[in-house]
Amino acid sequence: DAGITQSPRHKVTETGTPVTLRCHQTENHRYMYWYRQDPGHGLRLIHYSYGVKDTDKGEVSDGYSVSRSKTEDFLLTLESATSSQTSVYFCAISERDGGETQYFGPGTRLLVL
Amino acid sequence: QKEVEQDPGPLSVPEGAIVSLNCTYSNSAFQYFMWYRQYSRKGPELLMYTYSSGNKEDGRFTAQVDKSSKYISLFIRDSQPSDSATYLCAMKRGGGFKTIFGAGTRLFVKA
Repeated sequence: DAGITQSPRHKVTETGTPVTLRCHQTENHRYMYWYRQDPGHGLRLIHYSYGVKDTDKGEVSDGYSVSRSKTEDFLLTLESATSSQTSVYFCAISERDGGETQYFGPGTRLLVL
Repeated sequence: QKEVEQDPGPLSVPEGAIVSLNCTYSNSAFQYFMWYRQYSRKGPELLMYTYSSGNKEDGRFTAQVDKSSKYISLFIRDSQPSDSATYLCAMKRGGGFKTIFGAGTRLFVKA
């Protein structure tokens, strides 16, 4: 998975609790992305980062926040988890933007009860 | 209407068959077209990447883009059981960060 790890790989949590997912890369790529994957919807962009401390919203950002204090780490936080946030979350990285390859991590399966 | 439409399948074929996977899209500004393969419980991996219209071939895989019809295809020749996976089309405009993915087509190749 191109030097990308995600933690935890599985998590079960309760509605209303905060949850933080971590993406760690060893490729020194500038761009990092968080997606969620749900049946019938494909991959949808939550947030992305174009450098340390530089982040912006994707198409499904409500209820999520991100932080990037180091090149290698991109954190996704569910501020108050809801059942609609049950999903598989993928982190991706790319060396540059403009149609180039995105490399995906192994994913985190999150269940919100 | 979704920007990218992809038949979810499943598509089941015998080993050795030619497989055709397709996506349609509505945004004429898309310039980059990708196909990703995703094995069960794994992250997607890039298979093919095409800029603008035309064909691109890589081994048993051929990607076609028809911008006039807003239609892209992935052909797999001599399909193998190891090709069994979900195939996601993806596309984006020039510049910007937003890649739009199709919902994926599940493919089963029977030995």
